[in-house]
Amino acid sequence: DTGVSQDPRHKITKRGQNVTFRCDPISEHNRLYWYRQTLGQGPEFLTYFQNEAQLEKSRLLSDRFSAERPKGSFSTLEIQRTEQGDSAMYLCASSSSTGTLHQPQHFGDGTRLSIL
Amino acid sequence: QKEVEQNSGPLSVPEGAIASLNCTYSDRGSQSFFWYRQYSGKSPELIMSIYSNGDKEDGRFTAQLNKASQYVSLLIRDSQPSDSATYLCAVKRYTGNQFYFGTGTSLTVIP
Repeated sequence: DTGVSQDPRHKITKRGQNVTFRCDPISEHNRLYWYRQTLGQGPEFLTYFQNEAQLEKSRLLSDRFSAERPKGSFSTLEIQRTEQGDSAMYLCASSSSTGTLHQPQHFGDGTRLSIL
Repeated sequence: QKEVEQNSGPLSVPEGAIASLNCTYSDRGSQSFFWYRQYSGKSPELIMSIYSNGDKEDGRFTAQLNKASQYVSLLIRDSQPSDSATYLCAVKRYTGNQFYFGTGTSLTVIP
């Protein structure tokens, strides 16, 4: 079990640029989640995949955000035309849908995005 | 009304004392409850999960769930300075697969 891996760990970019983050979940986990977290707040749900299907997406999520999980393994989160308010920690988590109904999520180390 | 509410603290306890962290949730259909610990600048780390009413103990940690009152708590016995962190409560509903997080309670254990 190598844990959830996220890349890059830090990203600094200018406003208006596009950024893409990658998440590799725990290998046997078929569920993958993206969250955004700002200082003093809990993780805010962005979107959720089961295998390659994107099953839930936050209504608060701007259309500048898009996520994919093409083969049901790793996932990418892209933010287009970044804005100052996008500065945050972007967390990926994975869980399993097998076994007990109460499978917890396990988080990666996150990608910290700073918009200049 | 927020899905999950926590007292943001900060909560300070002396080393060796019991720290008590509380969380309430709004959806009676919630089925799974989790406590995560998050050190500054790090990602959340799962501490405990609880699904049934009552207490669940794991080492120095005890999670308590009361579905009728819609609250879940975490007790940390023999608190250590290394327990100083933000503790996040997360709730999963019966329907859907989304997890809802509180804003976290900041705990400081004073040596």
